[in-house]
Amino acid sequence: GDSVTQTEGQVALSEEDFLTIHCNYSASGYPALFWYVQYPGEGPQFLFRASRDKEKGSSRGFEATYNKEATSFHLQKASVQESDSAVYYCALSGNTGNYKYVFGAGTRLKVIA
Amino acid sequence: NAGVIQTPRHKVTGKGQEATLWCEPISGHSAVFWYRQTIVQGLEFLTYFRNQAPIDDSGMPKERFSAQMPNQSHSTLKIQSTQPQDSAVYLCASSQGTSAETLYFGSGTRLTVL
Repeated sequence: GDSVTQTEGQVALSEEDFLTIHCNYSASGYPALFWYVQYPGEGPQFLFRASRDKEKGSSRGFEATYNKEATSFHLQKASVQESDSAVYYCALSGNTGNYKYVFGAGTRLKVIA
Repeated sequence: NAGVIQTPRHKVTGKGQEATLWCEPISGHSAVFWYRQTIVQGLEFLTYFRNQAPIDDSGMPKERFSAQMPNQSHSTLKIQSTQPQDSAVYLCASSQGTSAETLYFGSGTRLTVL
């Protein structure tokens, strides 16, 4: 079945550091790829998505590029802030038949001021 | 638009009791999803509906868990004979129902089984 792998379980950075959270997927065809962010006491919130090879999604300074060859959708931000501390989820949704979403295990980001 | 509404926010039950969780999707959304979230397992898919019809319940424990969507404005997740291992945050999400649309999550119901 489809799967999403996030390499980092936790990431600790200082403000203004560069962020990369790795996301690799396994699915047939061209699934849509997503990043969601979750703050304490809330449900995951949509950050952005990409649906085609080489498409870049971005929001709030975060970005990721759909890489079909590498089956990756790595999240990056050039300069993190303390307010970016949250849990980040990579997800995919198939585009044939069953539109069930598959989420990665999540990466907890802590940014120290 | 109030977003996806889940009630109650917190529920405490004793072992063996029944728990019913409610979800009101965003108006106009035709797909409703249920997920369970724990520290150990992360986000686990349970089931989803499209146009009120059950489409995929492959994540639902076969015993004790059931979900319904009697009308387009609400869905329920029922857990019978709750066990301590059912303690989790149960998240409901809705989408417009077409391929790969964005999911909008509620704030979840934290279920604690004593």
